[in-house]
Amino acid sequence: KNEVEQSPQNLTAQEGEFITINCSYSVGISALHWLQQHPGGGIVSLFMLSSGKKKHGRLIATINIQEKHSSLHITASHPRDSAVYICAVQDDKIIFGKGTRLHILP
Amino acid sequence: DTEVTQTPKHLVMGMTNKKSLKCEQHMGHRAMYWYKQKAKKPPELMFVYSYEKLSINESVPSRFSPECPNSSLLNLHLHALQPEDSALYLCASSQLPGLAGGPAEQFFGPGTRLTVL
Repeated sequence: KNEVEQSPQNLTAQEGEFITINCSYSVGISALHWLQQHPGGGIVSLFMLSSGKKKHGRLIATINIQEKHSSLHITASHPRDSAVYICAVQDDKIIFGKGTRLHILP
Repeated sequence: DTEVTQTPKHLVMGMTNKKSLKCEQHMGHRAMYWYKQKAKKPPELMFVYSYEKLSINESVPSRFSPECPNSSLLNLHLHALQPEDSALYLCASSQLPGLAGGPAEQFFGPGTRLTVL
């Protein structure tokens, strides 16, 4: 069974700071997902990665398949980025990490 | 339409009630999922439907009964629930893995927040 570890568990930063959230997994996968969940519920899919790097606006996600590691970066962070960021790895099923609770202070 | 909708948003029910959660998508996805999420925990997979047939049941108690009446709809029927079943219930959908040549991105609904009294 794949073990998914995220770090840090909690992160508080000032508006404008560059944010990095890390995810490591133990067994080879077909894809890795980064998800965002705001307080009160719904999950939004930010990225699905199989290799390399993807960028959407201020968000960048990278994955190193050999090292079994992925990072999510947020540039010029803003209070509206405050949310829980979840890494999930996929093979025949999706296995979720415990999430990183991000709080951006104005 | 790239949206998964869920109704109701909130549900409060007693332990003897029967209720249903509904999920709908119009993206042509042939895989649909139910997840349960307790506070400050990651989602846990409950059921997977592929081509309207139940393909995965993660040993969920029989008081939860899923139903997929057609390719756009997914229901979760609830009966004789316990207070510990209170949680956020999330629905998701995706293309079936392999149809697009690789893993499929899941699209999540906003969830139904269930409270069992």
